[in-house]
Amino acid sequence: EPEVTQTPSHQVTQMGQEVILRCVPISNHLYFYWYRQILGQKVEFLVSFYNNEISEKSEIFDDQFSVERPDGSNFTLKIRSTKLEDSAMYFCASRESSGGRGFFGPGTRLTVL
Amino acid sequence: SQQGEEDPQALSIQEGENATMNCSYKTSINNLQWYRQNSGRGLVHLILIRSNEREKHSGRLRVTLDTSKKSSSLLITASRAADTASYFCATDPDSNYQLIWGAGTKLIIKP
Repeated sequence: EPEVTQTPSHQVTQMGQEVILRCVPISNHLYFYWYRQILGQKVEFLVSFYNNEISEKSEIFDDQFSVERPDGSNFTLKIRSTKLEDSAMYFCASRESSGGRGFFGPGTRLTVL
Repeated sequence: SQQGEEDPQALSIQEGENATMNCSYKTSINNLQWYRQNSGRGLVHLILIRSNEREKHSGRLRVTLDTSKKSSSLLITASRAADTASYFCATDPDSNYQLIWGAGTKLIIKP
């Protein structure tokens, strides 16, 4: 089965630093998503991306966050100035079409010290 | 709103028994999905059921959906130790994949 990959698997950073989390969606997929899961809490939607622009974003996705598809394969989530509360598992997902099944990556665990 | 609440929060059963987990939600949905997560790992898609479907099967999994009660259940038959994981339901109100997740049921299968 095709899979979504994410790097790094674990990122440790100091508060205030910028981080970029990387995702490689499945190659023929057109819709991309970021979710996060704070330890012990529910998974939360952050942002959806289609046709090189943000389709939807949640309240969590404030000006500190940005997403980009810098080339034909990567999809990145940047946090400009990390806070302690950004510590979470970040999941990327992609799907081929609207209404289709989504595929999640294994996640990046972000730890902000 | 607390869309997608699972119960029980935790379930411990003997290997070979059936496990049933329930999910309730508040708003209308296009579809509802179930996922599995092994401790601290990624989210594995198990099954998707659309709002016009009432039941769906996949291997040892059986999912039901009752839109009038805004609830779904996931049944795992003949459980195995490898089924030990957390199980989440996620609702997709508009089919735009802005999934709304429940808190999950932690399932432990005792050998």
